Amino acid sequence: AQSVTQPDIHITVSEGASLELRCNYSYGATPYLFWYVQSPGQGLQLLLKYFSGDTLVQGIKGFEAEFKRSQSSFNLRKPSVHWSDAAEYFCAVGRDNDMRFGAGTRLTVKP
Amino acid sequence: ETGVTQTPRHLVMGMTNKKSLKCEQHLGHNAMYWYKQSAKKPLELMFVYSLEERVENNSVPSRFSPECPNSSHLFLHLHTLQPEDSALYLCASSPGRTHEQYFGPGTRLTVT
Repeated sequence: AQSVTQPDIHITVSEGASLELRCNYSYGATPYLFWYVQSPGQGLQLLLKYFSGDTLVQGIKGFEAEFKRSQSSFNLRKPSVHWSDAAEYFCAVGRDNDMRFGAGTRLTVKP
Repeated sequence: ETGVTQTPRHLVMGMTNKKSLKCEQHLGHNAMYWYKQSAKKPLELMFVYSLEERVENNSVPSRFSPECPNSSHLFLHLHTLQPEDSALYLCASSPGRTHEQYFGPGTRLTVT
């Protein structure tokens, strides 16, 4: 069955520290992969996407993600977190009309 | 106005009411989507329209009725809802069915 797992429901990091949010998936074919961010009261904003090619993709706001086929993972990273990065982060995978979202990881940033 | 807009942003309705949610995209996209976002649950895809034809209906109760009159507008008509339908309803659009989706700010629906 197709599924997306974000193992960490809530993560707290200090401002300036590095960040890695995990995403694992189960999918029949190689899916397209996405990371979205949602601030309170807002819709989802696309951070980055992977369709094919270089497995390390750069996104907006200094985020990057790496696709590892052997591990069925697409983890999101940022070298230095800013207080404005506090939000909910969603991993999504899919092809055509089939888009699956993870349950989300809430990021808290400590001063 | 740019991007994907949704109105109203907040809606409170009784179980016997009829209301509609509106979504408009200004991106020239061909596909539009309705999602339901409930607390502590993954985002649930409800409906997909591609070139104004419904191509997906994920076993959504008939009290939710979508309408897509053209490629820029999408409606979700609501009637006789239940309290468990209270959620954030998100609209999204994409250039095609295989592309990334762009989301509106959502309508926070409360059913009393």
